[in-house]
Amino acid sequence: AQTVTQSQPEMSVQEAETVTLSCTYDTSESDYYLFWYKQPPSRQMILVIRQEAYKQQNATENRFSVNFQKAAKSFSLKISDSQLGDAAMYFCAYRSAVLDKTGANNLFFGTGTRLTVIP
Amino acid sequence: DAGVTQSPTHLIKTRGQQVTLRCSPKSGHDTVSWYQQALGQGPQFIFQYYEEEERQRGNFPDRFSGHQFPNYSSELNVNALLLGDSALYLCASSLDGTRSGNTIYFGEGSWLTVV
Repeated sequence: AQTVTQSQPEMSVQEAETVTLSCTYDTSESDYYLFWYKQPPSRQMILVIRQEAYKQQNATENRFSVNFQKAAKSFSLKISDSQLGDAAMYFCAYRSAVLDKTGANNLFFGTGTRLTVIP
Repeated sequence: DAGVTQSPTHLIKTRGQQVTLRCSPKSGHDTVSWYQQALGQGPQFIFQYYEEEERQRGNFPDRFSGHQFPNYSSELNVNALLLGDSALYLCASSLDGTRSGNTIYFGEGSWLTVV
């Protein structure tokens, strides 16, 4: 089974500064997707960014970018120009790209990193 | 365009009781998954419904069951509640496809407390 590890339970960053959240994963598959989700106090999981394993180029979405190291099975999230609204739990997640025999697969989540933004 | 909606938002149940949680997927989505998120943990996959049938299940006992209706909405039922069932239950919807890259959208969850 796939496992996702987030080794930083908590991180903090000064407003307007840059912070990097770490994630590693374990899989024997070569074709998969990786995600970063944000979960604010409202509890709704919001997709921040997505990376397709067969694409070598790192994904970016405005102030959010990833460093995807496939061989090292590492997938970190960099938040630039941090804003107060970035404060939340951040979850790294894995999903196989190939549907299983039932036609389904699911997300595997890490345990999360709580990000605090200091004004 | 309404996103994924869940009800109720919060509820408190007693050990041994049964609970039903409800989910309406995002408009146009036909696949619904349920996740359990215990306090301080990441979400854990319970099961997925497509075409009114359960087609994938995580490592959860049979006390957890579900249903999907013709309009794609879904229910999660938990019988014989245990204290350990206290958690946030998240519903997620997506559009079925030949690959799994379709974006998954989550609701705000139903917070269940078992006392």
